[in-house]
Amino acid sequence: QVQLVESGGGVVQPGGSLRLSCAASGFTFSSYGMHWVRQAPGKGLEWVAFIRYDGSNKYYADSVKGRFTISRDNSKNTLYLQMNSLRAEDTAVYYCAKDGTYSSSWPSLMDVWGKGTTVTVSS
Amino acid sequence: EIVLTQSPGTLSLSPGERATLSCRASQSVSSSYLAWYQQKPGQAPRLLIYGASSRATGIPDRFSGSGSGTDFTLTISRLEPEDFAVYYCQQYGSSPQLTFGGGTKVEIK
Repeated sequence: QVQLVESGGGVVQPGGSLRLSCAASGFTFSSYGMHWVRQAPGKGLEWVAFIRYDGSNKYYADSVKGRFTISRDNSKNTLYLQMNSLRAEDTAVYYCAKDGTYSSSWPSLMDVWGKGTTVTVSS
Repeated sequence: EIVLTQSPGTLSLSPGERATLSCRASQSVSSSYLAWYQQKPGQAPRLLIYGASSRATGIPDRFSGSGSGTDFTLTISRLEPEDFAVYYCQQYGSSPQLTFGGGTKVEIK
């Protein structure tokens, strides 16, 4: 079955870095764009970033642009999120999600979600 | 950036009742590219509706979506116990920067 499993979350000090991973299985990973979406404690959903199926196009929310980098390794069926210059407001559960449109160059809807990994930015 | 405003913030209803959730966009949503998600406590969101009115795979037909332009609605015809959750709308297609609404919590009255 289609599955996404995030890892790499933890506690990090403000200004620090963290890299999240998302292992995908059950579908042709290299044919779909992928997203990161986050949810701060007790808050709503916030889209973070999207990467095209082949990695050639990337889009970011203004709140993370210049600090976060989304990437993928299609040979390993894995999505990444490199997070630098972390701030307290980056504290959240981070979900990876599969884009619902085959071979799309443009972010659309999210039809499969992982269970999430928790990032806490605190001194 | 398209801002999505969901109302009401909380809806208190009993099982068997009809739920009507609203999502209003700050500008027209291209080609009705509007999705709805359900999220239960401690779980990841689940896609319910895409393209404003198409049900995702495995979603019961008591869930329906409608609307176009700037006004969209999610209707749950008869609430089942498992439907009490938070619902989010999300727009796509108008900008590469996706946005979600703030959510509507459907709680048991």
